[in-house]
Amino acid sequence: DGGITQSPKYLFRKEGQNVTLSCEQNLNHDAMYWYRQDPGQGLRLIYYSQIVNDFQKGDIAEGYSVSREKKESFPLTVTSAQKNPTAFYLCASTPLGGAKNIQYFGAGTRLSVL
Amino acid sequence: AQSVAQPEDQVNVAEGNPLTVKCTYSVSGNPYLFWYVQYPNRGLQFLLKYITGDNLVKGSYGFEAEFNKSQTSFHLKKPSALVSDSALYFCAVSEDTGRRALTFGSGTRLQVQP
Repeated sequence: DGGITQSPKYLFRKEGQNVTLSCEQNLNHDAMYWYRQDPGQGLRLIYYSQIVNDFQKGDIAEGYSVSREKKESFPLTVTSAQKNPTAFYLCASTPLGGAKNIQYFGAGTRLSVL
Repeated sequence: AQSVAQPEDQVNVAEGNPLTVKCTYSVSGNPYLFWYVQYPNRGLQFLLKYITGDNLVKGSYGFEAEFNKSQTSFHLKKPSALVSDSALYFCAVSEDTGRRALTFGSGTRLQVQP
């Protein structure tokens, strides 16, 4: 899983609670991504960021928020507006943000609802 | 919009036999194609990519993939399967326009029997 650290490995959310998933990389990559993985659906893009202090919505951004205050960090907040948050969340990064570049993935965070 | 189809949810093969995992794609411009592998409760690991040039791409662990522009396919192959190849395989596509992010297929589970 290279130099991308996701924490925690397991997370439980109570009704109406916001929770934040951490993603840190020491690869000096410019672009970072958050994906959601559900069984049989592959990975779906939530948010991505090509540079610090800038980010864009992916395909399923509703109920999620992000920030990119530092190059190394791209935390994802799952808000109470996300009614079905149970999933495996994966963070990835790539140099320069080009479409040709390999994405490197963290080990993931599994989020469940109590 | 770009899309990827992996028509088989699961592929079963005996150890030592050749394996093929199928992938077809749709993009408006020139495609950049990737294969990733995922072991249980882990992030994705890069296997190989096609950007341009030779249609047969060789990657990690003895895997290779053939790009076929007329059939818009990028099937993953290996001449002799190992039990340790059993995992979830994802095909992904990107292009150098728009958001430049990967779009993933739904994944194919490869089961190699001893």
